[in-house]
Amino acid sequence: EDKVVQSPLSLVVHEGDTVTLNCSYEVTNFRSLLWYKQEKKAPTFLFMLTSSGIEKKSGRLSSILDKKELFSILNITATQTGDSAVYLCAVEARGNEKLTFGTGTRLTIIP
Amino acid sequence: NAGVTQTPKFRVLKTGQSMTLLCAQDMNHEYMYWYRQDPGMGLRLIHYSVGEGTTAKGEVPDGYNVSRLKKQNFLLGLESAAPSQTSVYFCASSDRTSGRPEQYFGPGTRLTVT
Repeated sequence: EDKVVQSPLSLVVHEGDTVTLNCSYEVTNFRSLLWYKQEKKAPTFLFMLTSSGIEKKSGRLSSILDKKELFSILNITATQTGDSAVYLCAVEARGNEKLTFGTGTRLTIIP
Repeated sequence: NAGVTQTPKFRVLKTGQSMTLLCAQDMNHEYMYWYRQDPGMGLRLIHYSVGEGTTAKGEVPDGYNVSRLKKQNFLLGLESAAPSQTSVYFCASSDRTSGRPEQYFGPGTRLTVT
């Protein structure tokens, strides 16, 4: 059974800090890993990673995948209050129509 | 483009009542999914569909039924609601036929069963 574990469960930092969120996985026939941001409502897609060592960036957010050690990290630099959300990690296996989600990391940014 | 829409946004049911949640997408996606989200449990897949007229069970299908009569719509039914079905329900769709696995989510339906 595919498994995704995120850490920490929650994190509280001050505005301007840099944070690192972790996602480890166990997947048979791994194909891709996805990060989502969930504020008050629906999760919104951030990144998809398929290859090790290639960093994806979008503004202050960046993510990298390590397929050998089976984990990914999501970095947020110069955090803002608008970054407060639950960040979800999900994995896709080859030949599987579904995503397996972790339980998320709740990030709170204090002004 | 509205993306993925869900109706209703909120609903309160009494134990034993039935209801149907409607999901609609205007992105021409083949794949659609129903999840429930509970505190500390993350997103759990209830049922999904890989195309019009098809449905398949997910991780937690008991107590739910689904139908995909039209490509753009995916209905989730609760035949006899139970308090354990109190949750937030999300619908999602994806364009997997083009090789993209990311799912796009609707705004959710908050269901309370008393």
